[in-house]
Amino acid sequence: DAKTTQPNSMESNEEEPVHLPCNHSTISGTDYIHWYRQLPSQGPEYVIHGLTSNVNNRMASLAIAEDRKSSTLILHRATLRDAAVYYCILRRNSGGSNYKLTFGKGTLLTVNP
Amino acid sequence: DAGVTQSPTHLIKTRGQQVTLRCSPISGHKSVSWYQQVLGQGPQFIFQYYEKEERGRGNFPDRFSARQFPNYSSELNVNALLLGDSALYLCASSSAGAISYEQYFGPGTRLTVT
Repeated sequence: DAKTTQPNSMESNEEEPVHLPCNHSTISGTDYIHWYRQLPSQGPEYVIHGLTSNVNNRMASLAIAEDRKSSTLILHRATLRDAAVYYCILRRNSGGSNYKLTFGKGTLLTVNP
Repeated sequence: DAGVTQSPTHLIKTRGQQVTLRCSPISGHKSVSWYQQVLGQGPQFIFQYYEKEERGRGNFPDRFSARQFPNYSSELNVNALLLGDSALYLCASSSAGAISYEQYFGPGTRLTVT
């Protein structure tokens, strides 16, 4: 599986935008970029995913570099509830193994009131 | 609709014992995956089942086994428990089809091996 690199931790203030970076220089053409987050004492939660184009949903935006070697998860207005570990994951679209998620250590986001 | 449910919530076992963890997927979801999360690390993939067949296995010893039932619920079994098996065990379900992207995780079972 292709590897992702994320900062260990980041800090933000409430109601400010947050940009969480992820490097994936060995990404292949069939790898989707997924983001999950894990709130304290909970299982991971899907946030967003993309392949080549930027994506928006109700939770966040995903900006993907033109060469696809990096991406950025954007939380437009951080709330205290967004404090979590954020995982950037590459998921290969390869039929039977399509469901496997390879988690790294992620980025611990702290949101200050 | 209920989310993914797991039982028990917490479990304490002794080295050498066997344990069975249970997972009920979201209604209509046919795929179930199991993950192990050791403190301070991200979840590690153990198994994936789809339509009652094993579709993927992570780098775990044969002491770990799983199965999926006709109602799509699943059990994870771990034999000959070691101290290193202490972890949060997460179950995730996903809807059918190769183009399904989201996995929905349960709250996990916290296993402590003493």
